[in-house]
Amino acid sequence: AQTVTQSQPEMSVQEAETVTLSCTYDTSESDYYLFWYKQPPSRQMILVIRQEAYKQQNATENRFSVNFQKAAKSFSLKISDSQLGDAAMYFCAYRSKDGNQFYFGTGTSLTVIP
Amino acid sequence: ETGVTQSPTHLIKTRGQQVTLRCSSQSGHNTVSWYQQALGQGPQFIFQYYREEENGRGNFPPRFSGLQFPNYSSELNVNALELDDSALYLCASSLRSGVNNEQFFGPGTRLTVL
Repeated sequence: AQTVTQSQPEMSVQEAETVTLSCTYDTSESDYYLFWYKQPPSRQMILVIRQEAYKQQNATENRFSVNFQKAAKSFSLKISDSQLGDAAMYFCAYRSKDGNQFYFGTGTSLTVIP
Repeated sequence: ETGVTQSPTHLIKTRGQQVTLRCSSQSGHNTVSWYQQALGQGPQFIFQYYREEENGRGNFPPRFSGLQFPNYSSELNVNALELDDSALYLCASSLRSGVNNEQFFGPGTRLTVL
């Protein structure tokens, strides 16, 4: 089974600064999808960004970007110009191309310091 | 467009009881997945329903069962509740034929087993 590891239980960042959240995964598949989800205290999971493994270009969504290193099985999330509203739990997730199951990491709690 | 909704928001049960949780899919979505999120953990896949049939199951015992209705809403049933069943239960809907099969999550039901 695929596993997703987030080695940073907690991270903090000063408002307007940049922070990087780490994620590694284990798979024998060559084609798959990777996701970062945000879960604020309200509990509703929100998709932040998505990466398709066959695409070499790193995905970017406004202030959010990823560093996808397929050979190293690494998928980190960079948040630029951090805002107070970015404070939340962030989950890294994996889904195989033809699969129906998401595998989630244990999450990183991000605190944004004013 | 209506998002994913879940009911109830909170629920308290005692060991040995049975519980039913409900989920309404986002408009147009034909696939529903259920996840269990224990405190401090990432969501764990329970099962997925597509067109009223179970379409994949995680490592959960048979006392976790589900239903999907013709309108694509869904129920999660848990029999013989155990203390370890205390968790946030998340429902996510998606389009089975969607290119990226993005999942949209509901706000969750917090189940406490005493």
